[in-house]
Amino acid sequence: GAVVSQHPSRVICKSGTSVKIECRSLDFQATTMFWYRQFPKQSLMLMATSNEGSKATYEQGVEKDKFLINHASLTLSTLTVTSAHPEDSSFYICSAREGRTSGGVFGPGTRLTVL
Amino acid sequence: GENVEQHPSTLSVQEGDSAVIKCTYSDSASNYFPWYKQELGKRPQLIIDIRSNVGEKKDQRIAVTLNKTAKHFSLHITETQPEDSAVYFCAASWGVGAQKLVFGQGTRLTINP
Repeated sequence: GAVVSQHPSRVICKSGTSVKIECRSLDFQATTMFWYRQFPKQSLMLMATSNEGSKATYEQGVEKDKFLINHASLTLSTLTVTSAHPEDSSFYICSAREGRTSGGVFGPGTRLTVL
Repeated sequence: GENVEQHPSTLSVQEGDSAVIKCTYSDSASNYFPWYKQELGKRPQLIIDIRSNVGEKKDQRIAVTLNKTAKHFSLHITETQPEDSAVYFCAASWGVGAQKLVFGQGTRLTINP
C-alpha cells in the first residue's frame, strides 16, 4: 500500500533556530500534500496545503513566513519552522494524496520540542 | 468554513460491550467522512470511511452511519476489545480530488477488561 515517511521523527532545538521536516511519498507520486499540527491531547489542525510546483495554501492564522513549505518534487514536501519558539513545540504530521484516496495517507509524524 | 463537533470526549466501556461516537458537521457540501484511530505518539490510522451517497458502511466489528439531513455521522464498535483503546477522530471533507480534512476534537476510548 501507499507509504509516507517523515524525517526526522523527533527533533529538539534551541529557541530561535530553524528546523526542517521532510515528508516523502515512498511508492507513489503526490501532487498534493497536507501539513497538520497536533498539540498534546488535542486534535489535528490543518496548517497548509502543499502543491507540487506552486505556492502552498495556508490556513487562516498560520504564518506563511514562519512555516515555510516547499514541494519541489512529486515525492517530497518540506516544512521549515523558522525561528522556532517553545510554543511551536508540537507533533507535526503530513499526509499525501495518492490517486483518488480522499484525505490522504499520513506520515508517522515529527515531534518537535523547542527549548 | 467547515466545523466538526465530536462527542463524547472520553468514553469508557466494558470489554465486549459496544461503543458509539458521534460527530456533527456544518457544511452541507461535505461529502467524505473518515474515521481515524490514533495511538499515543503515532500517526492516525484510517479505520473506516463513508461517502455522502451511502447511509451505512460496515467492516467486521466497525460500522459508520451517516445522516445527511441532520448532518451527523457515527462510529459504532461492537464486541469491544482492549486493543480498541485509543483516541478516535472523525473528519469531514468536500469537493473532488485532493481534499483537506477538518477533524473533530477526538474521543479517548478506554476498554475495561
